[in-house]
Amino acid sequence: DAGITQSPRHKVTETGTPVTLRCHQTENHRYMYWYRQDPGHGLRLIHYSYGVKDTDKGEVSDGYSVSRSKTEDFLLTLESATSSQTSVYFCAISRGASDEQYFGPGTRLTVT
Amino acid sequence: RKEVEQDPGPFNVPEGATVAFNCTYSNSASQSFFWYRQDCRKEPKLLMSVYSSGNEDGRFTAQLNRASQYISLLIRDSKLSDSATYLCVVERSGYSTLTFGKGTMLLVSP
Repeated sequence: DAGITQSPRHKVTETGTPVTLRCHQTENHRYMYWYRQDPGHGLRLIHYSYGVKDTDKGEVSDGYSVSRSKTEDFLLTLESATSSQTSVYFCAISRGASDEQYFGPGTRLTVT
Repeated sequence: RKEVEQDPGPFNVPEGATVAFNCTYSNSASQSFFWYRQDCRKEPKLLMSVYSSGNEDGRFTAQLNRASQYISLLIRDSKLSDSATYLCVVERSGYSTLTFGKGTMLLVSP
């Protein structure tokens, strides 16, 4: 299995609080991605990174920001969590833009 | 047409059956195609890439039809352990990303 970890694995937080999720890889892959998965919607891309300090928006980026200061770490921040951001969040990595992606185990986030 | 479209299922089949999934995509410029499987409450895992000439991996066969813009996955001799959701994945040409279908659920029963 690809060396990808996510932390925390589970989190419950209150509306309005900031939340940061971490993705860590040991594969030295250039690309890193954050997705959310919700029933009826499948996997939706939030943000992605194509190198250190290089990021771009996905299809559902509103309310989220990201940072990548090192190749191995990609952080997702919910500036002010809302109940609509309750979801399962997956991080993924790939060597190239169109290459297969490998996923982390996911973070279950509940915003009350 | 949606970027990637799959029949949501579920497909209920007995052990030993052959089952086929189809997936259509809208971007004719897409070059990379994959099938993933996702078990309940787990992360998606790569099942196989899909090549233009078609490819096989044991009981699994993937095919690509560029003219009609669809890909297929055939599973022969279904096992109980094949029960999962199968995700069709297509390169989102020009965006450095992949688009995931919503998945087709497969339930294999004894």
